[in-house]
Amino acid sequence: DAGVTQSPTHLIKTRGQQVTLRCSPKSGHDTVSWYQQALGQGPQFIFQYYEEEERQRGNFPDRFSGHQFPNYSSELNVNALLLGDSALYLCASSLSPGGEQFFGPGTRLTVL
Amino acid sequence: GEDVEQSLFLSVREGDSSVINCTYTDSSSTYLYWYKQEPGAGLQLLTYIFSNMDMKQDQRLTVLLNKKDKHLSLRIADTQTGDSAIYFCAESAPGYALNFGKGTSLLVTP
Repeated sequence: DAGVTQSPTHLIKTRGQQVTLRCSPKSGHDTVSWYQQALGQGPQFIFQYYEEEERQRGNFPDRFSGHQFPNYSSELNVNALLLGDSALYLCASSLSPGGEQFFGPGTRLTVL
Repeated sequence: GEDVEQSLFLSVREGDSSVINCTYTDSSSTYLYWYKQEPGAGLQLLTYIFSNMDMKQDQRLTVLLNKKDKHLSLRIADTQTGDSAIYFCAESAPGYALNFGKGTSLLVTP
């Protein structure tokens, strides 16, 4: 079992661009959550996907959107990138929406 | 959202015990967690405790919960240099997302 995988590992974008990050959940998991971790901060919840629907959402603007596919993998999209979007983006999967969350290694996004 | 507070830094000598403290404000918190993050890595769940428990022990780790004061602590016995990392306290209500503190950076010196 490969665990939770994320791609790419690192990404550099410029302000105003759009980015897509990808996450494959742990085998057997059907729920994916996304977190943003700014430097020196704890992870902040962005949203959670279950049964291909956004189930919960944190305090993030509409520039942040996502999708879950029938195979339970997920994408995080961020439009109109700002310098403040630079962070480590963590994906976590679980057996159910309330289940123990297993984290991937993250995607480091740098916005210049 | 509700606040989860942690001290930012702790330094201990190898072989000593480490105690990392956390306070939270959300009365509906049902699960309380401790995660470990090593440089360049994701989060690893170390242990968790239900809010109806006072203590949980798992090998070198002991979690104490004072629900009245909303205070959680993680004790690491016989701390090793490999325990150097950032430790995050987190809370959640059933079916809800994790709410993390800012993390405590633990440095273990030989």
